Amino acid sequence: KQEVTQIPAALSVPEGENLVLNCSFTDSAIYNLQWFRQDPGKGLTSLLLIQSSQREQTSGRLNASLDKSSGRSTLYIAASQPGDSATYLCAKLKAAGNKLTFGGGTRVLVKP
Amino acid sequence: KAGVTQTPRYLIKTRGQQVTLSCSPISGHRSVSWYQQTPGQGLQFLFEYFSETQRNKGNFPGRFSGRQFSNSRSEMNVSTLELGDSALYLCASSFTLLTGGTPEAFFGQGTRLTVV
Repeated sequence: KQEVTQIPAALSVPEGENLVLNCSFTDSAIYNLQWFRQDPGKGLTSLLLIQSSQREQTSGRLNASLDKSSGRSTLYIAASQPGDSATYLCAKLKAAGNKLTFGGGTRVLVKP
Repeated sequence: KAGVTQTPRYLIKTRGQQVTLSCSPISGHRSVSWYQQTPGQGLQFLFEYFSETQRNKGNFPGRFSGRQFSNSRSEMNVSTLELGDSALYLCASSFTLLTGGTPEAFFGQGTRLTVV
């Protein structure tokens, strides 16, 4: 079984709609959960980091929650804009070392 | 504050050649990790270096190697290139738990390697 799973793999919404992106992970022994954005052919931009002792983090229109007991994290993007179109990746970090394990990503298209 | 810098941005190499990629971390970050991204396999961890020592290694053949210098800059080397090595190679830097920092990873723009 994949350690980190993101469903759906792709999502298309009209501008203004709220986005809900899901991330599931096995092994609740995580240190933190990090969400990234990736534009085509580019590197990853860190959006939010949730430490294992936290339940959620917020930055502007973005809010991420973490439920270790159920192995889930959710990224909410309020009032989506065409500029939000990108691939969103979640990654978990275990305490040992700085190795991130990534999900496959959700490709988001926000239509004007 | 400068971000993570990777050079070169693009490379085209021939099968059988070797290649060296470079990564300069954010000032103050001593942990540098390398990842390979392909359409089929997604993002996969290669290895992590901290204080010039490899701390973690992913499941890649020995043709993939790396090192870290005293200024925390890191290089990754791939020898005897294969067509399947074509990928976007990403480097990330962060603080570590060992030094009391929050290990939030910051990535560079990547090096696009094409093997022909």
